Amino acid sequence: DTEVTQTPKHLVMGMTNKKSLKCEQHMGHRAMYWYKQKAKKPPELMFVYSYEKLSINESVPSRFSPECPNSSLLNLHLHALQPEDSALYLCASSSQGNQPQHFGDGTRLSIL
Amino acid sequence: GENVEQHPSTLSVQEGDSAVIKCTYSDSASNYFPWYKQELGKRPQLIIDIRSNVGEKKDQRIAVTLNKTAKHFSLHITETQPEDSAVYFCAALYGGGFKTIFGAGTRLFVKA
Repeated sequence: DTEVTQTPKHLVMGMTNKKSLKCEQHMGHRAMYWYKQKAKKPPELMFVYSYEKLSINESVPSRFSPECPNSSLLNLHLHALQPEDSALYLCASSSQGNQPQHFGDGTRLSIL
Repeated sequence: GENVEQHPSTLSVQEGDSAVIKCTYSDSASNYFPWYKQELGKRPQLIIDIRSNVGEKKDQRIAVTLNKTAKHFSLHITETQPEDSAVYFCAALYGGGFKTIFGAGTRLFVKA
């Protein structure tokens, strides 16, 4: 069972589109993360939310905009993406820092 | 800066043999080291972790060792099985325990 749920599983969008990725967890975790993973590479941290506040932004371009509406939900808003942004986007959660992170199945994003 | 080096990049073993993957981290402030297994097209899954106050941890066929002085940690898989074939990532946590830096990954092939 996947305890972190991501939607959609696949997304194809043009460079002028606006779309959002969604992530949900009901484990009571207070830290949530967005990662980007290219083929045959490790996940790269993008954003960290701790107690619903943005605590880490790894110099991600502003065309990616995270949002944490409540402790269970994490969104990633996408606008004017580039072809090189095509990747697997993974959401994860943990109870707090220095604790195991649970990953969702990811959204496979393709930019045309 | 923060860095995790992982070796080897590819490892091929015969079923029943042991496999060892080694990682080195750069920041002595890091104190939590998880290992993830990622099968093709699937999410990373935590298989074992170790904290800096412990030198070794075992879970059935999997063990992890940590040498804080040398800033090395290693994954040991005994009695390998074909289902162990996957990409394995080591990681170290920084930034108050929220920033995960992954190693480049080791692709393990277990031949039946």
